[in-house]
Amino acid sequence: QKEVEQNSGPLSVPEGAIASLNCTYSDRGSQSFFWYRQYSGKSPELIMFIYSNGDKEDGRFTAQLNKASQYVSLLIRDSQPSDSATYLCAVNLEGGSYIPTFGRGTSLIVHP
Amino acid sequence: DAGVTQSPTHLIKTRGQQVTLRCSPKSGHDTVSWYQQALGQGPQFIFQYYEEEERQRGNFPDRFSGHQFPNYSSELNVNALLLGDSALYLCASSSPGGAGVYEQYFGPGTRLTVT
Repeated sequence: QKEVEQNSGPLSVPEGAIASLNCTYSDRGSQSFFWYRQYSGKSPELIMFIYSNGDKEDGRFTAQLNKASQYVSLLIRDSQPSDSATYLCAVNLEGGSYIPTFGRGTSLIVHP
Repeated sequence: DAGVTQSPTHLIKTRGQQVTLRCSPKSGHDTVSWYQQALGQGPQFIFQYYEEEERQRGNFPDRFSGHQFPNYSSELNVNALLLGDSALYLCASSSPGGAGVYEQYFGPGTRLTVT
């Protein structure tokens, strides 16, 4: 069964700290990786995507991809209470697939 | 630039009824995907439409059907509603071409409650 796994949390970090969110996937052929943020009662919002091994930075967010180990992570620097949300990892599990498979999401709580 | 729009926002139906949800993609996008998201779960893929045809389908029964119009907007129809169909229904549109890797953007969703 092709899967995307995330720890459901909650992950609790103090304001100003680095939050680290992790995601593993089952298919070595996966090529596209996405992180979505979802506030309670709202729809997912795309915040990062990464296609190549290594790091990709965008403001306070850094996505890290390690295809050999089949994991992708999201780091949030200088975490703010407004970052409190569920973070969904999505992976196009088959090479060339147009359909990302989503994990269950990790709940992040940033406390003042 | 208008993003993805969906209607209605909320809907309450009774078991056995039928429902139609609507979606307009982001300007310039030609591919529309539908997802079902139950509470505490990630979105589950229902199907995707491209060039007015269903390109791929997830593991959902035939009670779930859809359509894409020439202007790229789309409808999701669910027949014979079950209590378990209560969920947030999400529409996502993606970049032109539909080939290779691409990014999807979600609409605000329709909250369906079946009683």
